[in-house]
Amino acid sequence: GDSVTQMEGPVTLSEEAFLTINCTYTATGYPSLFWYVQYPGEGLQLLLKATKADDKGSNKGFEATYRKETTSFHLEKGSVQVSDSAVYFCALSDKANAGNMLTFGGGTRLMVKP
Amino acid sequence: EPEVTQTPSHQVTQMGQEVILRCVPISNHLYFYWYRQILGQKVEFLVSFYNNEISEKSEIFDDQFSVERPDGSNFTLKIRSTKLEDSAMYFCASSRTSGGVDTQYFGPGTRLTVL
Repeated sequence: GDSVTQMEGPVTLSEEAFLTINCTYTATGYPSLFWYVQYPGEGLQLLLKATKADDKGSNKGFEATYRKETTSFHLEKGSVQVSDSAVYFCALSDKANAGNMLTFGGGTRLMVKP
Repeated sequence: EPEVTQTPSHQVTQMGQEVILRCVPISNHLYFYWYRQILGQKVEFLVSFYNNEISEKSEIFDDQFSVERPDGSNFTLKIRSTKLEDSAMYFCASSRTSGGVDTQYFGPGTRLTVL
C-alpha cells in the first residue's frame, strides 16, 4: 500500500538557518503530495501541495518539488523564524483512490531558537 | 476565511461508554473525513463520506464506529463502546471535490480520553 516516510525530529535550528525536511513516498498510483503544518494546540493546516511530477509547491517562504524519479517531496525554507516552530507532516493522496484518503508521514517537529 | 469546527475540544469518557464527536465542515464542501492521531503516532485515516455514503474506510473503522450527516451542516463520528486504545485526537476534514488533488481542510480536533 501507499506510505510516506519523513525524517525523524526534533530538528533544532537557529533563526535564519536553512531548513530541509526530507520526505519520500511509495504509491501504486499517481499521487498528489502535500505538506501540512501543526502549530502547538492547533489542527493541521495545509502548507503547500503539488499534484504532478516536477511541480513546485510554495507558500510562506517554504517550497517543495515533486520528484518522481526519486519519489521525494522534500520541504525547504531559506531562512527560518521562531514562528515556524511546529510539527510538519508530509502526506499523499492517490488520485486513483476514490475515497481521497490522505496517507501521512510520522511528522517532524521543528524548533527554531532565537 | 471559512473553517472546519469541531466540538467538544476535549471529551473524557469511561470505557464502554458511547461518544459522539461533532464536526461542522465548510459549507460548500461535499466530501468529509475523519482521521485520528494517537499520542506520538502518525495521523491515520478512518473514513471518507460523500453523498450520504461511506466512500472508503480503513481497517481501524470497525463495527464500533459509525458516521452520519444528520442535517445539512453537521458530520458526526460515533464510537459505540469506547476502549482505552480509542484515546486519541480525532480530526475532521472536508474538501470541495475529490480526485486526490483537492485540499482537505482540517478542524482543530477533539481530544478523546477513555478512562
